[in-house]
Amino acid sequence: GGIITQTPKFLIGQEGQKLTLKCQQNFNHDTMYWYRQDSGKGLRLIYYSITENDLQKGDLSEGYDASREKKSSFSLTVTSAQKNEMAVFLCASSIGGQDTQYFGPGTRLLVL
Amino acid sequence: GEQVEQLPSILRVQEGSSASINCTYENSASNYFPWYKQEPGENPKLIIDIRSNMERKQTQGLIVLLDKKAKRFSLHITDTQPGDSAMYFCAASAGDMGYKLTFGTGTSLLVDP
Repeated sequence: GGIITQTPKFLIGQEGQKLTLKCQQNFNHDTMYWYRQDSGKGLRLIYYSITENDLQKGDLSEGYDASREKKSSFSLTVTSAQKNEMAVFLCASSIGGQDTQYFGPGTRLLVL
Repeated sequence: GEQVEQLPSILRVQEGSSASINCTYENSASNYFPWYKQEPGENPKLIIDIRSNMERKQTQGLIVLLDKKAKRFSLHITDTQPGDSAMYFCAASAGDMGYKLTFGTGTSLLVDP
């Protein structure tokens, strides 16, 4: 088995601030994903990376940057936090496309 | 892109009865349909999936049906237990962009003992 860790667990930011979320997996999976989960809106794909050094935009990429530093890690940056924003950011990994995605515990973001 | 609609958003049933969740999709090229369960405070976990070469799949009290003509797929939980109470998400992806899963908005299932 493997595990996905996300840091930090909770993130409180200020409006306009640049915030970085980190994700690590030890499954040795090629593909990693970042989703945003809002209440009542399901999970929406922000960025994904098919393999190391690859980066693909999802449906919600505006306002975010991502970086796949190495196979095991994938980070997400909120380029300018929006006031009163509150969401959970979930990282996931899979062997490849259309394979089981394993999710991390999430980072809960609150912007004051 | 793909759009997935999921209904109902809230479902409450008695223990021992069955529960059904329905999803529709738009992209006729979609060929992979997983279902994820998310318990309160936990991360989503895959519980069952179906690919377009099948119409029905069953595992451990879960049945998934796929109607490609109607672009509809559904999850049926038989003999529900209180432990089945959770959020359930359907999703779809197309082979040509198989990495991109589009999720439904979720169904909150509550099983009353």
